[in-house]
Amino acid sequence: DQQVKQNSPSLSVQEGRISILNCDYTNSMFDYFLWYKKYPAEGPTFLISISSIKDKNEDGRFTVFLNKSAKHLSLHIVPSQPGDSAVYFCAATLGAAGNKLTFGGGTRVLVKP
Amino acid sequence: EPEVTQTPSHQVTQMGQEVILRCVPISNHLYFYWYRQILGQKVEFLVSFYNNEISEKSEIFDDQFSVERPDGSNFTLKIRSTKLEDSAMYFCASSVPSGSVRSYNEQFFGPGTRLTVL
Repeated sequence: DQQVKQNSPSLSVQEGRISILNCDYTNSMFDYFLWYKKYPAEGPTFLISISSIKDKNEDGRFTVFLNKSAKHLSLHIVPSQPGDSAVYFCAATLGAAGNKLTFGGGTRVLVKP
Repeated sequence: EPEVTQTPSHQVTQMGQEVILRCVPISNHLYFYWYRQILGQKVEFLVSFYNNEISEKSEIFDDQFSVERPDGSNFTLKIRSTKLEDSAMYFCASSVPSGSVRSYNEQFFGPGTRLTVL
């Protein structure tokens, strides 16, 4: 099941620079997208989300962009900090509250001081 | 800040044994979920639960699995006869505060239970 894909398994970035994480999906019925951050031995922590009626959502250092025609979303982290080093998952879901999340495989981000 | 809790953090069991994984969702949330992550693989949906019944389950969630909300706070996942391939991190999540006025898709996850089947 490859409905949500994160093609870059890892990303290394210098502190203070921009981190760009990418995610592609195949199911055009998905209309809500989320990014989660995960540290080792912890559960996924919700970061930011976007509805398909928008193409951008911003929260502090985190911005998510959605390109529906390309079925592509990205997460920008500016500026990157060493505490951002973690695995980032994108997830997608359908419409109504309570529906399951379908996750990508994750991208491991390393922010170097 | 309210959070989802899970116990135990690590469970080791013999193949064929029954295990019960426990979760306390965020207290005013209405939907509850179980997901799992086998080492090196994606986080996979198992089951969702609403209004004291299963609302959706995946093909993974076969007759060996069951969920229960035995009281007003706990949410459990039971595996009746564990197999080696059940070894994974199991995550509980909850969502949708009661009284929400908007569509609410964010799910909040617990720290997980690492299940090791020998």
